[in-house]
Amino acid sequence: AQSVTQLGSHVSVSEGALVLLRCNYSSSVPPYLFWYVQYPNQGLQLLLKYTSAATLVKGINGFEAEFKKSETSFHLTKPSAHMSDAAEYFCALGTGGFKTIFGAGTRLFVKA
Amino acid sequence: KAGVTQTPRYLIKTRGQQVTLSCSPISGHRSVSWYQQTPGQGLQFLFEYFSETQRNKGNFPGRFSGRQFSNSRSEMNVSTLELGDSALYLCASSGGTLSGSPLHFGNGTRLTVT
Repeated sequence: AQSVTQLGSHVSVSEGALVLLRCNYSSSVPPYLFWYVQYPNQGLQLLLKYTSAATLVKGINGFEAEFKKSETSFHLTKPSAHMSDAAEYFCALGTGGFKTIFGAGTRLFVKA
Repeated sequence: KAGVTQTPRYLIKTRGQQVTLSCSPISGHRSVSWYQQTPGQGLQFLFEYFSETQRNKGNFPGRFSGRQFSNSRSEMNVSTLELGDSALYLCASSGGTLSGSPLHFGNGTRLTVT
């Protein structure tokens, strides 16, 4: 069965510190993977997507993610956190059935 | 280009009533998906439509239904509302036909059932 697991429902970092949000997936076919961000009272916005062209994917706002097939992982990173990065982040898997599966989400807190 | 528009933004209904939510996708997008978001269950897939055809449906009771019109606008209906239906309902459109196409979300409709 296809699934997405995000490790850590809450992550707290200091402003300027490295952000690392973890995502593991399960898929029997080559996956399409995404990271989305959700700010309060808004819908989700696409940060980046992996579609097999390159294992290191760069997204908006300085975020990037690395696809590791051997580890079935797609972790999201940002070298230096900013206060405006505080939000909820979702890892997602595109299935072959016109459906996207989302992880449970990780809420990122950024301390001044 | 205008984004995905969902109306209304907020709804308060009473148990047993029914409700209709509306979604206008990005111009040119023919795929529309609906998700229910709650603190306990996260984002749960409701259904996906493409060119007026439902291509996939999530594991929700028959009280939840949807449709898509020829202009790609979509509606979802929930009948006989229950307290547990209180949630943020998100609509998303996609410009592609494959699973690799990203979703573009609206800001959602916040439904409260009392």
